[in-house]
Amino acid sequence: EIVLTQSPGTLSLSPGERATLSCRASQNVNSNYFTWYQQRPGQSPRLLIYAASKRATGIPDRFSGGGSGTDFTLAISRLEPEDFAVYYCQQYGSSAMFTFGQGTKLEIK
Amino acid sequence: EVQLVESGGGVVRPGGSLRLSCSASGFKFDDYALSWVRQAPGKGLEWVSRITWNGGVTNHADSVNGRFTISRDNAKKSLYLQMNSLRAEDTALYYCAREGSYWTFDFWGQGTQVTVSS
Repeated sequence: EIVLTQSPGTLSLSPGERATLSCRASQNVNSNYFTWYQQRPGQSPRLLIYAASKRATGIPDRFSGGGSGTDFTLAISRLEPEDFAVYYCQQYGSSAMFTFGQGTKLEIK
Repeated sequence: EVQLVESGGGVVRPGGSLRLSCSASGFKFDDYALSWVRQAPGKGLEWVSRITWNGGVTNHADSVNGRFTISRDNAKKSLYLQMNSLRAEDTALYYCAREGSYWTFDFWGQGTQVTVSS
């Protein structure tokens, strides 16, 4: 089973700053099967980035994803107040199993 | 508009059973695989179970394998999760999620709370 480890656990930044979140896999992941979600407080998760770098419908272009193999990143170029949330990476692997990272909380500094 | 509405949660004693339902609308239900994903209080997301569009293939996380069963009724546009032998660690908000392209969860319900406590 592939384990996803996100870092940092908490990231404290100010609106307007750039955020970079990391997700490391314990084994190589097919980039087509790698996804990022955003979860705001009290809300259900929302699809942000799929296939490692493709923005989902309606996602602003300040969000970008990258990486391959075992190392993936989510970048937010200029933080807006609504971007402060928890972010999860997720992969789809063998035996039709999905795994999530433990999450990175992006909080206002 | 795609909508997924979960129901059936509640408080149950350890060892008990519960059946969750998810009612779908706004899309062609039998075109999509579906999953249950849960979130324990203050914790992260954990995938639980998946079912293909026709119910032909199901998969479960190791943590629930043998205790939980996922099923669907395409005529009723509904997804189900039968949960048996419940444990305290199954306490969580259970989400129904549609599987979109590239093995993503592109739409989520609001969740139904399951609490396992004596």
